Amino acid sequence: GAGVSQSPSNKVTEKGKDVELRCDPISGHTALYWYRQSLGQGLEFLIYFQGNSAPDKSGLPSDRFSAERTGGSVSTLTIQRTQQEDSAVYLCASSPQGSGGACEQYFGPGTRLTVT
Amino acid sequence: GDSVTQMEGPVTLSEEAFLTINCTYTATGYPSLFWYVQYPGEGLQLLLKATKADDKGSNKGFEATYRKETTSFHLEKGSVQVSDSAVYFCALVRNYQLIWGAGTKLIIKP
Repeated sequence: GAGVSQSPSNKVTEKGKDVELRCDPISGHTALYWYRQSLGQGLEFLIYFQGNSAPDKSGLPSDRFSAERTGGSVSTLTIQRTQQEDSAVYLCASSPQGSGGACEQYFGPGTRLTVT
Repeated sequence: GDSVTQMEGPVTLSEEAFLTINCTYTATGYPSLFWYVQYPGEGLQLLLKATKADDKGSNKGFEATYRKETTSFHLEKGSVQVSDSAVYFCALVRNYQLIWGAGTKLIIKP
């Protein structure tokens, strides 16, 4: 079946512009995660959605970052007034359930964001 | 807080050599442990996992054993191939968040 998809695959933007990154999780997966992979910081958790519960936004680095998940499916990560330090690969993952344990997270190919 | 430490790379080996990539963790309790792999140009994919102490995860000839005494989850393979060249990430899960090691790049030469 279809895996996690993300769009765009690459995005180049000018400093100060807003960007939207999209994630389509695997159908039926109730949990959705955003991570960021950057050279200086490695892999970092950003935000977590589980069903209709309030998202855990504890990993968002600043208030310029926000995310939504509509209808329990597609998610959009928005970065306002982009800065050069936002340049990274943004990864989306989904899993059949969100509660801890050994539930595997399935990753999309990522969106490479470059802020010039 | 919880953390994962991996050996620094790159690790360069010849084909058919024995592989060990060290991973140690700091955590309260006994979280599930994972190895993820990222092949060139591809997304992260789960390689293997272990959910409790003394469990051994295995896949594609790779193995790792959850050692609570040494808080380790070292990745091993008896005979590596060129196709194993990739970046390997050790991780633990705390509630639902994956907490990652820095990644180890593995280069296998023919």
